[in-house]
Amino acid sequence: EPEVTQTPSHQVTQMGQEVILRCVPISNHLYFYWYRQILGQKVEFLVSFYNNEISEKSEIFDDQFSVERPDGSNFTLKIRSTKLEDSAMYFCASSLTHEAFFGQGTRLTVV
Amino acid sequence: AQSVTQPDIHITVSEGASLELRCNYSYGATPYLFWYVQSPGQGLQLLLKYFSGDTLVQGIKGFEAEFKRSQSSFNLRKPSVHWSDAAEYFCGLVKEYGNKLVFGAGTILRVKS
Repeated sequence: EPEVTQTPSHQVTQMGQEVILRCVPISNHLYFYWYRQILGQKVEFLVSFYNNEISEKSEIFDDQFSVERPDGSNFTLKIRSTKLEDSAMYFCASSLTHEAFFGQGTRLTVV
Repeated sequence: AQSVTQPDIHITVSEGASLELRCNYSYGATPYLFWYVQSPGQGLQLLLKYFSGDTLVQGIKGFEAEFKRSQSSFNLRKPSVHWSDAAEYFCGLVKEYGNKLVFGAGTILRVKS
């Protein structure tokens, strides 16, 4: 069964460093998303991406964040200068219609 | 704007007992509704979904949910809970395809033996 793949599963980074979280969505999907879950809290929408551009973003998705689909298969989330409060689980998802398929997540720890 | 409310933060049930997790939504039309389960440290697994048609939908692991338009609810049920069902459950809503999934705050289910 097709699945969304995220790498790495866990990343530790120093405050102020740049990180790139990587995702391989399901191959025929058209819509791509990033969500964040701070430990013990709800899953929050960050950004959606369609037709090679951002279709919607939340207030969380400020200038420190960017997304890219550099080729036909990868979808990346970049955090330019990480802060302690960026520590969270980041989920990538993709969809063809209504149903989003989620990856297993990348746990980002900023120290 | 659409929203999802899960009124219960924690629920504890005995193994073998029945379960109902509540979900209410706010949206002007009929949305697409989902339930996901998250085990500790894991990703989000889809349990079931409602798009249209029969308002009682069956999912994996013996779960079902009923869409009630008049109450703006989509409650999740299971007749007999197993210890392995202990997890966090998220209700979600999509207003139309390609749009973001909006999640409720989640309900943590504890199962006591």
